[in-house]
Amino acid sequence: DTGVSQDPRHKITKRGQNVTFRCDPISEHNRLYWYRQTLGQGPEFLTYFQNEAQLEKSRLLSDRFSAERPKGSFSTLEIQRTEQGDSAMYLCASSLRGSSYEQYFGPGTRLTVT
Amino acid sequence: LAKTTQPISMDSYEGQEVNITCSHNNIATNDYITWYQQFPSQGPRFIIQGYKTKVTNEVASLFIPADRKSSTLSLPRVSLSDTAVYYCPGGSGNTGKLIFGQGTTLQVKP
Repeated sequence: DTGVSQDPRHKITKRGQNVTFRCDPISEHNRLYWYRQTLGQGPEFLTYFQNEAQLEKSRLLSDRFSAERPKGSFSTLEIQRTEQGDSAMYLCASSLRGSSYEQYFGPGTRLTVT
Repeated sequence: LAKTTQPISMDSYEGQEVNITCSHNNIATNDYITWYQQFPSQGPRFIIQGYKTKVTNEVASLFIPADRKSSTLSLPRVSLSDTAVYYCPGGSGNTGKLIFGQGTTLQVKP
């Protein structure tokens, strides 16, 4: 399977702990996006990379969130000092720059903060 | 922001054609229109994309009028497995950022 993969699929953590998620995009895709989705809502944009450069970050993203994409391949999303409000599905998507609205999503990482 | 508006829910029966309409009141001149499908506990799946007139693929058809203020996703002869949430996200120009609304929950009944 050469689709987008995410790890872990599920994460349960206690409030105040740090968590890190990984996304492996489709290999030839140079754009990578992170979204967050809560129950009953559509995905909400968090940030995106073109190759290794982080080009946009949502204003909704607090300083506790950080993302990286070293060498323009896989990406990590870290949440520090988690809060219960961080509980959500974290989705990663990738695309080719020329067809950016055609994005391929991974299965997501479901985070539960207790 | 290129937000879109679509019905919250729709019901249909197996074998029927389903048309879901989306309003794109703030669409930019160079934006494409895309539709996604999402099943529970999965990421959204790209269905179809178009700029104007009609586009058809093996899954669906997309109708876009000349003014591009709306679009209609047409699913021919739906089955139970088409029960899902369908989104017509707005776009954000060159960034490719997608702006999702609540989507349309399609329930296909036997």
